[in-house]
Formats: sequence, structure tokens, C-alpha cells
Amino acid sequence: QVQLVESGGGVDQPGRSRRLSCKGAGFTFSTYGLHWVRQAPGKGLEWVAVISYDADRTYYADSVKGRFTIARDNSRNTLYLQMNSLRPEDTAVYYCARDVDGENYYGMDVWGQGTTVTVSS
Amino acid sequence: DIQLTQSPSFLSASVGDRVTITCRASQDITSYLAWYQEKPGKAPKLLIYAASTLQSGVPSRFSGSGSGTEFTLTISSLQPEDFATYYCQQLNSYPFTFGQGTKLEIK
Repeated sequence: QVQLVESGGGVDQPGRSRRLSCKGAGFTFSTYGLHWVRQAPGKGLEWVAVISYDADRTYYADSVKGRFTIARDNSRNTLYLQMNSLRPEDTAVYYCARDVDGENYYGMDVWGQGTTVTVSS
Repeated sequence: DIQLTQSPSFLSASVGDRVTITCRASQDITSYLAWYQEKPGKAPKLLIYAASTLQSGVPSRFSGSGSGTEFTLTISSLQPEDFATYYCQQLNSYPFTFGQGTKLEIK
């Protein structure tokens, strides 16, 4: 069935790096744009980044620009989020999500189960 | 960045009620607006995209309308499983942004 499965969450000290992964299955991975979205404890949803189906275009939230990098490997059906210079405010559940459309961005119709990142000294 | 303001932030209603949630954008986002439902401990679920297109599998009691800067999500007859938090999101301009959420509670 169509699914996304995240991995790579954990606990880090401020300033450290971590890479999240998200593996897709049940659909043609290489034809969809993909997003990362996060939710801090007790807070609302925050969009983090998006990557086009061909990895040509990436865009970021201001809060992570210059620190996080979104990437994908279509041969492995896998999306990544490289997070550098982690801050306590990056503590959140991180979701990967597929856009409902392949060419444009309209909304996220398939979500992973989420992986938790905690940044604390 | 485009700001989205949802109203109300909290809503108390009963099963069978008709409810409407509003999402206002700080600038024109044409129809690039999506609505999500979130329940505790679960990933969000897409309800509506392109302002008014019902996502496959979503009950027809959910509907969306609007364009430009003002949008609404309407639930025509609340069911017990609809009590959740609802978010709007704009995908017109980077960075994409979410509203602050509307928590729908049972009266």
C-alpha cells in the first residue's frame, strides 16, 4: 500500500547534526514532490521544506534555511533531511509527506508516522 | 511570508451541528489552500486541497470554499469522529505556511 516510513530520530545536544530518512513504497516515488513538516510538543504544524520530484528545486522555512538540507534519492525511493547546527527549538516530531500532485504543490495526501527529534543539553 | 489566521481558535459544538472554520491569508494566495484534520498521536490527514477539492476518501460532509484571502472549511453535520484540530495551509508562496489551528471540541 502507499506509505512513507521515517527513521533517524533521536536525542542530540545543541550544535550537533542528524539526518532523517523517509522511505516511500506503493507509489511511483520519483514523480511526486515531497515535504518535511514538524510539530513541536504542544504546538501546531510547521512546514519545513519541499523538494521537487526531480530534486531540481528545494525550498525552506526561514527557521531552518542554511541549517537544514532536503534531498532525495529516487533510485532508493528515499527522502532525506540533513539537520545541522541543531537548536532546542528544533525539538519536534518530524513528518515526511507526499504532495497530492506531481508537478505543482497543492497539499500533502500521504504522511509518514513521524519521527521524534529532541535537542537538549 | 504569508500569514494565515484561523478563526475561531477553539470551537465547541454538538454532534449534528453545522460548523464553519475560517482561514484568512495576509495576501492573495489564489486557490492554493489546503485543509487538514489532526487527531492526537496521529499524522495529519488531508481533507481539501486547491481550496475546494475534496480529497479522495474524505466524507462529503466536508467542504471548502474561497479564493484570494478568505477561505472556509464547513462540516455540514458533525460526527463523533470529527472532533479534532483543523489546520489550513497555503501553498501559493514560499515558505509554505500553516494557520495556528482550530480545536473542535464536543459541547
